[in-house]
Amino acid sequence: SQQGEEDPQALSIQEGENATMNCSYKTSINNLQWYRQNSGRGLVHLILIRSNEREKHSGRLRVTLDTSKKSSSLLITASRAADTASYFCATLNTGGFKTIFGAGTRLFVKA
Amino acid sequence: DGGITQSPKYLFRKEGQNVTLSCEQNLNHDAMYWYRQDPGQGLRLIYYSQIVNDFQKGDIAEGYSVSREKKESFPLTVTSAQKNPTAFYLCASSTRDRGGSGANVLTFGAGSRLTVL
Repeated sequence: SQQGEEDPQALSIQEGENATMNCSYKTSINNLQWYRQNSGRGLVHLILIRSNEREKHSGRLRVTLDTSKKSSSLLITASRAADTASYFCATLNTGGFKTIFGAGTRLFVKA
Repeated sequence: DGGITQSPKYLFRKEGQNVTLSCEQNLNHDAMYWYRQDPGQGLRLIYYSQIVNDFQKGDIAEGYSVSREKKESFPLTVTSAQKNPTAFYLCASSTRDRGGSGANVLTFGAGSRLTVL
């Protein structure tokens, strides 16, 4: 079963613009993570936000978490062509040991 | 450099054959995972192991088997019982984040692409 659902499925923007991706999930969570995947490669961990946190920053990344709405957003500011990749949210259920991934958002940044 | 090594990168299989995908990590992580990814989709959990000599089924374990005889190694066998094995297979391992919240931050290998002929 997939816990998270990303929106939009695909996003195309110009270099320099901001990119926003959203994730919704279904059950109580311990934390929510965002990962990036370049085509045909493994995933790379970007950022983690705990269930008791509302916002977190890392470089050009900003993540928010709203546990009452069971949703999260990932904002990439001042995007670059090198940001072109698929982005996945993943949740670790409360008391669980399984990390469950959503279907991902495919981001294309045009130079 | 610490990391996860998956092999082979590409694998072709005839119908009815079993194949084994290798996953080795030198990160000293206790937990290891196998995920399957189909084109344009997210990752689905096949099996995971929290400790040596112990493993649990994930969401799509049918047609797959694993072993965890060493901390560093978690091989996945795709058996002939798996009806649609063509996919991209990803191995991962995890540690807890520094905050000690119980998070599972996953480190992934580069993946193995299996094609059934």
